Amino acid sequence: GNSVTQMEGPVTLSEEAFLTINCTYTATGYPSLFWYVQYPGEGLQLLLKATKADDKGSNKGFEATYRKETTSFHLEKGSVQVSDSAVYFCALSSGNTGKLIFGQGTTLQVKP
Amino acid sequence: GAGVSQSPRYKVAKRGQDVALRCDPISGHVSLFWYQQALGQGPEFLTYFQNEAQLDKSGLPSDRFFAERPEGSVSTLKIQRTQQEDSAVYLCASSPLGPGQGATGELFFGEGSRLTVL
Repeated sequence: GNSVTQMEGPVTLSEEAFLTINCTYTATGYPSLFWYVQYPGEGLQLLLKATKADDKGSNKGFEATYRKETTSFHLEKGSVQVSDSAVYFCALSSGNTGKLIFGQGTTLQVKP
Repeated sequence: GAGVSQSPRYKVAKRGQDVALRCDPISGHVSLFWYQQALGQGPEFLTYFQNEAQLDKSGLPSDRFFAERPEGSVSTLKIQRTQQEDSAVYLCASSPLGPGQGATGELFFGEGSRLTVL
């Protein structure tokens, strides 16, 4: 079946450091890929998405590229801020309902 | 309201009690999903509604779990005879699109209902 695997956290970085959170997936067909973020005390919200191979999703300085050959969708940001501290979830959607399958989440803590 | 609203935000139940969790999706949203999120884990799919029709309940862990959306808007997740392993955050999400309308996985989530079973 379909599944998503993320690097384990927590990830602790200093402000302005480079961020990579790895995500790989297993899926039949051609899924859409997502990163959702959960800030402390808030609900999950969509950060970025990519719907086909080689697409790059981007938002708020974060980027991820849909790599079909490596079945990956790694999240990157060039310079993190304290306000980026949150839990990040990689997810995929296949089929026609929009149902999401999530990874286990990666906690990011950015220190001043 | 502007977003997905869930109530109660926190619920403590004694083992064996029944609980009901409510979800108010964004007005006009066709699709509604329930997820279960255990501590330190990602959300796990429970069930899906398109309007009032429950099209997928493959993720419900047992027959103690029941969900409904009788008028195609508000939904209720009911858990009967709660067990300690039911302790989790229950997330509701909605989408304006349904099957055949280009539904893509862009969901709007509520803040969740945290259930603790003692």
